[in-house]
Parts: sequence; structure tokens; C-alpha cells
Amino acid sequence: DGGITQSPKYLFRKEGQNVTLSCEQNLNHDAMYWYRQDPGQGLRLIYYSQIVNDFQKGDIAEGYSVSREKKESFPLTVTSAQKNPTAFYLCASSIVGTGTYEQYFGPGTRLTVT
Amino acid sequence: KNEVEQSPQNLTAQEGEFITINCSYSVGISALHWLQQHPGGGIVSLFMLSSGKKKHGRLIATINIQEKHSSLHITASHPRDSAVYICAVRSRETSGSRLTFGEGTQLTVNP
Repeated sequence: DGGITQSPKYLFRKEGQNVTLSCEQNLNHDAMYWYRQDPGQGLRLIYYSQIVNDFQKGDIAEGYSVSREKKESFPLTVTSAQKNPTAFYLCASSIVGTGTYEQYFGPGTRLTVT
Repeated sequence: KNEVEQSPQNLTAQEGEFITINCSYSVGISALHWLQQHPGGGIVSLFMLSSGKKKHGRLIATINIQEKHSSLHITASHPRDSAVYICAVRSRETSGSRLTFGEGTQLTVNP
């Protein structure tokens, strides 16, 4: 089945540790996105990538880093510089083109940092 | 002020009721999306529209580009419709397929 997988579903870390969230897709989509969701707020874009080996900062990139070495994979690292890392993180992918295309979302990873 | 505003924030209905969720936006858009998020957190796309009206089963989405407003209607609501409904827009000014999201409407349908 085609889709997006994120692992793990729940992740617990101690403050001061970096943590990497996995996102893999087999939809052959060029674009991939990382969002953060906090209670009472809309999804906010952290980073996005429209092609391998290239990515752009979103609205809240500080304290995060990404890589896009393969089309299928777009891992997100939450660094110790991120002041409030506890949140629900969603990965998405889409076709890239001149039109407007749906974004397909993964199941999400809930990160808790104590 | 958010670029995308949804109302109401919370909605409780009885099974069978007709439900309307509203979305207003302040930017020129190329498309508007309605998404559904279930309690587990996963998000699915319900509709993507840039004009007029779309229908899928008991769900109907409409958009008025001149008024910068969209509505999501659910007919004959059912407890399984309980979820967060999210409106998102693709601004004409932003690059790529970036979306701006509303805060979501929590819908609870009681049996």
C-alpha cells in the first residue's frame, strides 16, 4: 500500500538531548513537509523540501534541522536548542507542479520532552 | 489575526443533525482544503476546491471566492463523524504547495 509512515508513534526524551523523527513515503512524491501541532493552534510548517538535497525553512524552523538525501525520506531532528519541543509532529508529502495538489499526511509522532 | 479563521471552535450535535463548519480567510488563494483529524492524530484530506461546490457522500464543501469564505456541511451526522475538521488554504503569494491552516473545529456527535 502506498502511504507515509512515521516512527515512532510516541517518543520520550530528556531535556538537552537531540532526537530524530522518521518520515518515509512510497508515493513517489517530490515534496515533503514537517508540521508541528500544539493544542488550540493550527498546524505550523517547520521545514519543507520540494526536491532531493534541497529544503526550505518554514515558519518555525528554529531549533530544528532536516535532511533530504533520498526522495522517500525526510527525517526531522529536534535539537536541544528548541525551547518547547513537546508537541505532535506530522509529516506530509505531495506532488510538485504548476497546479494545486493534495497533501498526504502520516500518522504523526507525539514527542514528550521532560 | 490569523490568515485562516474557523468557526465554531467546538461543536456538539445529536446524531442525525445537519452540521455546518465555517472557514474565512484573508488572502488570495489558489485552493482551499478541508481535512479531517481523528483522535489518533492522523489527518486525511476530505476536499480540495477552488470554486463552487463538491460533494462526497454525506459531506458537502462550498467556497465563495469573492467573500473569501468556505463551509463544510455534514448531513445526517453520525457519531463516527466526531473528529477535528481543519480548513487550510494555499495562498497565491506563497511558493510551492505551502498551506496555511486554521485552528480546527472539534466536532462531537452524540448518539
